[in-house]
Amino acid sequence: EVQLVESGGGLVQPGGSLRLSCAASGFTFSSYAMSWVRQAPGKGLEWVSAISGSGGSTYYADSVKGRFTISRDNSKNTLYLQMNSLRAEDTAVYYCAKGYSSSWYETYFDYWGQGTLVTVSS
Amino acid sequence: DIVMTQTPLSLSVTPGQPASISCKSSQSLLHSDGKTYLYWYLQKPGQSPQLLIYEVSSRFSGVPDRFSGSGSGTDFTLKISRVEAEDVGVYYCMQGIHLPPYTFGQGTKLEIK
Repeated sequence: EVQLVESGGGLVQPGGSLRLSCAASGFTFSSYAMSWVRQAPGKGLEWVSAISGSGGSTYYADSVKGRFTISRDNSKNTLYLQMNSLRAEDTAVYYCAKGYSSSWYETYFDYWGQGTLVTVSS
Repeated sequence: DIVMTQTPLSLSVTPGQPASISCKSSQSLLHSDGKTYLYWYLQKPGQSPQLLIYEVSSRFSGVPDRFSGSGSGTDFTLKISRVEAEDVGVYYCMQGIHLPPYTFGQGTKLEIK
């Protein structure tokens, strides 16, 4: 059974940093691309970032480019999102999502974690 | 970025009756490989999104056959043949061809009458 468990969310001040983790199990982690998708309170879904199965390719939404870094440790079956220079508009539930293939490109998200809430506020 | 426009934004359906949601993309989602990269997700209350339909019309594992997807190019439809109470939630379409970024529709909230 595929399981994705996010952690690391919390309250952080504007300009601060936070690192999210997503522990994966139930599939060969290194064979699949992974993404982060967020959902602001009461709003819709926004794709944030993606990484290929090998970790060699990464992509970001313009809204987070230069501030967020996606990475993965295939030996630990864990996906990360390092978030720096956080803004109030980054407040959201962050979901990790498994891609259908090893490429981050032209794929879709077949399994999602339960999400972790990030609140950026002073 | 590709804009995905869903209609209606909300609908209220009597159990056992059909429901239909439209999704229009600002550019064609047909790839040169012959596939169309349009997907449907359902986010039930208090839960994370779950995949319903991939590549326009293929049901994901475990998805009941009362859910069906159709369409081509820029116009797509999700249909529920007979709505059940467990179908409540917000439905999203998503495109996966003109990247980055992946983009979602605004969501359609389904309620039971």
